[in-house]
Amino acid sequence: SQKIEQNSEALNIQEGKTATLTCNYTNYSPAYLQWYRQDPGRGPVFLLLIRENEKEKRKERLKVTFDTTLKQSLFHITASQPADSATYLCALDLLNQAGTALIFGKGTTLSVSS
Amino acid sequence: GAGVSQSPSNKVTEKGKDVELRCDPISGHTALYWYRQSLGQGLEFLIYFQGNSAPDKSGLPSDRFSAERTGGSVSTLTIQRTQQEDSAVYLCASSFRLRANYGYTFGSGTRLTVV
Repeated sequence: SQKIEQNSEALNIQEGKTATLTCNYTNYSPAYLQWYRQDPGRGPVFLLLIRENEKEKRKERLKVTFDTTLKQSLFHITASQPADSATYLCALDLLNQAGTALIFGKGTTLSVSS
Repeated sequence: GAGVSQSPSNKVTEKGKDVELRCDPISGHTALYWYRQSLGQGLEFLIYFQGNSAPDKSGLPSDRFSAERTGGSVSTLTIQRTQQEDSAVYLCASSFRLRANYGYTFGSGTRLTVV
């Protein structure tokens, strides 16, 4: 069956540390993989997109890697801050499958303590 | 507008009643998407529109659900004869093009409670 799994429901880290979130998928061949941030009571906010032929993408303190052989993406937040506390969602863009849009994982809730 | 607007933000309805949820996407965005998020669950894809056309409606949970989009802009998701399991946050998103290398812009959602 097709699955998207984010490594854990919750991740707690100290301020200043690097947070690493994992997204694994099976039986999909995504053209793109995206990461979103969702705060309570709000819709998800787009953060980064990485293509299947890209290994790594950076944006400020964020870094995303994409390994299509392992079927895995890693999302890193360096020098984490309490304001980074939120739920982070990975999403697969199944460009080559008609009738689909982004398919989302259930998310990992990150808590950064000061 | 500046963002994706959804109305109402909250809706409480009695079981068996019909409800209409509205989404006003970003001007110029040709693609529009509906998702549902239940408590503790991920986003469940419902339907997408390219212009006014919805090529695939198989994501809709049952035939009580329908959606339309007019003028390439506003979309309405209608749930007939609501059931308690329909209670969830209904999220709408839009993007400049379908499946282009752009992220989606989401609205804040409509929280539907069926009592």
